[in-house]
Amino acid sequence: AQSVAQPEDQVNVAEGNPLTVKCTYSVSGNPYLFWYVQYPNRGLQFLLKYITGDNLVKGSYGFEAEFNKSQTSFHLKKPSALVSDSALYFCAVSPVMYSGGGADGLTFGKGTHLIIQP
Amino acid sequence: DGGITQSPKYLFRKEGQNVTLSCEQNLNHDAMYWYRQDPGQGLRLIYYSQIVNDFQKGDIAEGYSVSREKKESFPLTVTSAQKNPTAFYLCASSMDGGPGELFFGEGSRLTVL
Repeated sequence: AQSVAQPEDQVNVAEGNPLTVKCTYSVSGNPYLFWYVQYPNRGLQFLLKYITGDNLVKGSYGFEAEFNKSQTSFHLKKPSALVSDSALYFCAVSPVMYSGGGADGLTFGKGTHLIIQP
Repeated sequence: DGGITQSPKYLFRKEGQNVTLSCEQNLNHDAMYWYRQDPGQGLRLIYYSQIVNDFQKGDIAEGYSVSREKKESFPLTVTSAQKNPTAFYLCASSMDGGPGELFFGEGSRLTVL
């Protein structure tokens, strides 16, 4: 069974500084990888995904993530943080060869609270 | 505007009562999902449906039931058999059940008194 680890419950960054939210995964075979963001009392919003190809994936709101197969990581990054980036971030993984397809094979991490300080 | 609508946003229930959470989508998506979110535990899949009149149990289906009579609708019933129903419930859909990108509703927060 696949799993996702987000080792930090909370990440604090000063506005304007670069940010990184860490994610490592375990899956049989090749992975599909995703980042979602959740604002308080709201649903999740899709940020970006890695399916295949370039290891650096660009997504919404200036975020990007780098797929590193050897380290089984998919860290979320942004060059310059904004206060409005403060939210809960979820990493998720699905095995490419999952027979059921779709999000029924999707496993979420426990989430990381990102706090951007003015 | 296309999207997913969940109702009610907040719901209070007495112990022993069943309650049904509504989820409607106008995205013409085939697949729909229900997740439960608890603080510090991420999202856990309750039920999912890839086509009308068919649905499958997720990781934590006990104490829950669903139906998928229409493509647009996927209601979730939290029964009295669910031991710890207080949680934030999220409905989601995807176009064809393919990898990953889910569209989420705004959630329903259920509190059992």
